[in-house]
Amino acid sequence: QSVLTQPPSVSAAPGQKVTISCSGSSSNIGNNYVSWYQHLPGTAPKLLIYDNNKRPSGIPDRFSGSKSGTSATLGITGLQTGDEADYYCGTWDSSLSAVFGGGTKLTVL
Amino acid sequence: QVQLQESGPGLVKPSQTLSLTCTVSGGSISTGSYYWSWIRQTAGKGLEWVGRIYPSGSTNYNPSLKSRVTISLDTVKNQFSLKLSSVTAADTAVYYCARDRFFAAPHSYYYYVDVWGKGTTVTVSS
Repeated sequence: QSVLTQPPSVSAAPGQKVTISCSGSSSNIGNNYVSWYQHLPGTAPKLLIYDNNKRPSGIPDRFSGSKSGTSATLGITGLQTGDEADYYCGTWDSSLSAVFGGGTKLTVL
Repeated sequence: QVQLQESGPGLVKPSQTLSLTCTVSGGSISTGSYYWSWIRQTAGKGLEWVGRIYPSGSTNYNPSLKSRVTISLDTVKNQFSLKLSSVTAADTAVYYCARDRFFAAPHSYYYYVDVWGKGTTVTVSS
């Protein structure tokens, strides 16, 4: 069982918007910065969001991140079939280790 | 740009030691701004952080794995390695090597992984 809690799956139609939640505690999300990753099976995971809401170079602004209290949210607008993937949140924990969510499978209907 | 490539046996017997190496290309592992990490994904589960090493040799390990994990650096070969002892079927996973950024502010930590390897599957079975 993962330290950070994510919904197992979300779905939406092409062109629509979807949000993925990530819930933690004061020992991790509540006091530290959150990152988000996109993972297509068989490939290397890709950093989408870091420091709660910053996008690395090359990541389109369709992807956004936010944090409130002990929860974080990844938003994706203008959904494309190529966005179908697993999405993970991650952060640092007071146990002096990194922690990740269980992952959310995005289906673009 | 920096690229990471995992290598090592794909099959390990129970109770033995799992050994993997990550070769770093496109940049020096000795750069002081990054940590070098191992992260795994077990079947049907999320990502689990195994541990990491800083160029100085300082390490952090997942508390649940700490007694069995050793991560080391070889700056000459520009590689870092993972050893996980006394493995069981629960250690069967895809193992990723990665580069992470980490900053400690007065009351919070910044952490993210900016480069990942493609992963290597390790099965623990007799």
